[in-house]
Amino acid sequence: DQQVKQNSPSLSVQEGRISILNCDYTNSMFDYFLWYKKYPAEGPTFLISISSIKDKNEDGRFTVFLNKSAKHLSLHIVPSQPGDSAVYFCAATGGNNRLAFGKGNQVVVIP
Amino acid sequence: GAGVSQSPSNKVTEKGKDVELRCDPISGHTALYWYRQSLGQGLEFLIYFQGNSAPDKSGLPSDRFSAERTGGSVSTLTIQRTQQEDSAVYLCASSPQGRGEQYFGPGTRLTVT
Repeated sequence: DQQVKQNSPSLSVQEGRISILNCDYTNSMFDYFLWYKKYPAEGPTFLISISSIKDKNEDGRFTVFLNKSAKHLSLHIVPSQPGDSAVYFCAATGGNNRLAFGKGNQVVVIP
Repeated sequence: GAGVSQSPSNKVTEKGKDVELRCDPISGHTALYWYRQSLGQGLEFLIYFQGNSAPDKSGLPSDRFSAERTGGSVSTLTIQRTQQEDSAVYLCASSPQGRGEQYFGPGTRLTVT
């Protein structure tokens, strides 16, 4: 039972344009959401997070939006850079501190 | 400072053999997690240690899997009588208090032949 879903497994975007990644969740107990970035042969690295008491969090080129009523969050990367090419995982947690992950989105930024 | 380290980075084993995977968390982090990522899948939670509390083993897929954490630091994940479906990347993560972002190691790629 996939509690965190990432559709559209891959995304290609021109350098300088916006990358938008979407994530849907089913568990209403989730109250903290994270995005991780993963390069091949490396572990995931934390990118940005958002608490359920907020609807937006911004850090440099990365912004995460949370729509609790729709159980939906998105990650915006603008402007996209070639170094952003990676797999992006959406993750969520509730009171048990375990992270539930989506299957990931492959992003390719074309120079 | 040093991040989370894992060893070995790659392990090839024959079906039926036992394997041990090691994780060294970031110093001072009280929470330690094991996940695995099978081909084409997201990360699957296995087990969670928090301080001296009893571990949350609810993600372990079978009784062939076990883990321990000695001295509140290093952790070992043991898989007995490995099966081909155990082939995956096993990832360890730690966090300062068990809440918020987790910091991942590079993983151990396990291949069972």
